Amino acid sequence: GQNIDQPTEMTATEGAIVQINCTYQTSGFNGLFWYQQHAGEAPTFLSYNVLDGLEEKGRFSSFLSRSKGYSYLLLKELQMKDSASYLCAVRDRSSNYQLIWGAGTKLIIKP
Amino acid sequence: DTEVTQTPKHLVMGMTNKKSLKCEQHMGHRAMYWYKQKAKKPPELMFVYSYEKLSINESVPSRFSPECPNSSLLNLHLHALQPEDSALYLCASSQEARGSSSGNTIYFGEGSWLTVV
Repeated sequence: GQNIDQPTEMTATEGAIVQINCTYQTSGFNGLFWYQQHAGEAPTFLSYNVLDGLEEKGRFSSFLSRSKGYSYLLLKELQMKDSASYLCAVRDRSSNYQLIWGAGTKLIIKP
Repeated sequence: DTEVTQTPKHLVMGMTNKKSLKCEQHMGHRAMYWYKQKAKKPPELMFVYSYEKLSINESVPSRFSPECPNSSLLNLHLHALQPEDSALYLCASSQEARGSSSGNTIYFGEGSWLTVV
């Protein structure tokens, strides 16, 4: 079956680094996305991985290992505005190339 | 410019009302989507339009009726909704409905908050 797991909630300190993990099981992997969603707002695109390795974009990086069905989102130099939910989503060929979503990880940043 | 605009931002409607949500994108994207999101849940796919044709309907009740007047516009017509339909309705677009290129990222509008009373 199709399944995406990510922690429900994480807490980190301003200025620190946090890693949000995502594991997935899909039958037709076709790319993995990370979105950020602030409370009461729409999801905004952060990163996309389809090949193994690390993609870096400013303070945010995303890693993918297809053989392990594993990804992480790394946030550096945390700022208070990074408090949000982070959604992992996998595009799946067997689902008409639509996104299968994880439940999201609520990240709380403390001063 | 990755912009998808939705109107209205907030809508309150009675169970006997007929209303519409509107969405527009000018990125030349050929796929447009409606998602529904409840609090503390991920987005839930409702409809996908590809090249102005309905390609996916995720068994959505007929009280929700999508319409794609042209490649830039997407509407969601609402009629006889139930209080449990209250949610954030998200419009989104991407270059194509299928495909694995990074250019096929789905971009969301700001959403329309719907309350059914």
